[in-house]
Amino acid sequence: SYELTQPPSVSVSPGQTATITCSGDALPKQYVYWYQQRPGQAPVLLIFKDSERPSGIPERFSGSSSGTRATLTISGVQAEDEAAYYCQSPDTGGTYWVFGGGTKLTVL
Amino acid sequence: QAQLAQSGAEVKKPGSSVKVSCQASGGSLSTYSIDWVRQAPGQGLEWVGAIIPMFSKVTYAQKFLGRVIIATDDSTKTTSMDLNRVTSEDTAVYYCARHPFEVRDGKYYYSGMDVWGKGTTVTVSS
Repeated sequence: SYELTQPPSVSVSPGQTATITCSGDALPKQYVYWYQQRPGQAPVLLIFKDSERPSGIPERFSGSSSGTRATLTISGVQAEDEAAYYCQSPDTGGTYWVFGGGTKLTVL
Repeated sequence: QAQLAQSGAEVKKPGSSVKVSCQASGGSLSTYSIDWVRQAPGQGLEWVGAIIPMFSKVTYAQKFLGRVIIATDDSTKTTSMDLNRVTSEDTAVYYCARHPFEVRDGKYYYSGMDVWGKGTTVTVSS
């Protein structure tokens, strides 16, 4: 079955830039979506179609995708950004949705 | 503003079935799918399946084929997910989410799951 691979954890100091990657064989042909999930809460859509940001999402969140790797970048990390981040994308055929394993962002 | 209201927590015996519902308000379902995503305790997100109410089109993750049924009642804007023959591995929080899309040249272009329900805790225990 198709898989998206994320690093389990990323740590960064406040004000620094956090980079979270997502790798998958179908990414050259499929869009990537990113979600933030704080403990005990439902996920929140951060980025859609690789790099578009929904209204209300701060500009410090940005996304990009190249080849088999997509990247979520958080510039000027704040304490409130400490959360789990998930990438999501369809499988090669575009039929099934797959989530990455999630990355726990720790703000030091 | 669109909202999704989910049914309450469930406790089920192994081998039984569970039904979770999700009622939409404040928005249209015409160009959205309603997706179901679950999260086992301490684990990541897992896509279960989805329904496009406008087309009555349903897609299930292969892992759940034959064990899950997703349906929609247009009159009440309620989508339900029935999971059969549950085991302890089905213990999880089940979320419904609105997933807007547009169709161009016969292909679906999704805009991400932009509205989520609060989640329904399903516990399977003997």
